[in-house]
Amino acid sequence: DAGVTQSPTHLIKTRGQQVTLRCSPKSGHDTVSWYQQALGQGPQFIFQYYEEEERQRGNFPDRFSGHQFPNYSSELNVNALLLGDSALYLCASSRAGGPAHEQYFGPGTRLTVT
Amino acid sequence: GQQLNQSPQSMFIQEGEDVSMNCTSSSIFNTWLWYKQDPGEGPVLLIALYKAGELTSNGRLTAQFGITRKDSFLNISASIPSDVGIYFCAGNSGNTGKLIFGQGTTLQVKP
Repeated sequence: DAGVTQSPTHLIKTRGQQVTLRCSPKSGHDTVSWYQQALGQGPQFIFQYYEEEERQRGNFPDRFSGHQFPNYSSELNVNALLLGDSALYLCASSRAGGPAHEQYFGPGTRLTVT
Repeated sequence: GQQLNQSPQSMFIQEGEDVSMNCTSSSIFNTWLWYKQDPGEGPVLLIALYKAGELTSNGRLTAQFGITRKDSFLNISASIPSDVGIYFCAGNSGNTGKLIFGQGTTLQVKP
């Protein structure tokens, strides 16, 4: 039973560039949430996707956008990268009809903006 | 906005000792979760709590959902070296998927 997978593992970008991160949910899960984890901090909620729509959004600017595909996989896009966007980006999946709020995390994508 | 305060920030203990850490919130949560994160990995779910006063165990780990619904506790008994890592509490206040995380407690275990 495959868990949550994310790609790429690491990424280095320059200020002003755009980046796309990818996530495949755990088998049987249909809901994907994205979190940003700065060094030494807990994860911060970016947004959640269910049925290919953004269901809830955290306090992040419009530069952060996402998409969910019919197979439940998801992408996180960040435009006009800033140095402060350097962080570990975590994807978490859950089952809409399952135990409430039990989210399972992938290993993350480490984004470095120079 | 909602914030979780997790304490202690770090702990350095001897193998075999028991560990306690806690998490408090300025507002009520309906769900409390405890995660462990190893370096270079994503958080791994340890225990989920759904009712005020609930006490749940997972092996050597025991967690409680505070009666006021504004706090939660995690205890680890007879610590071993593989318990090393960062422990996060997380709460949810509604029927949405947004989890609010604490700042984490870093645990180091001396063999």
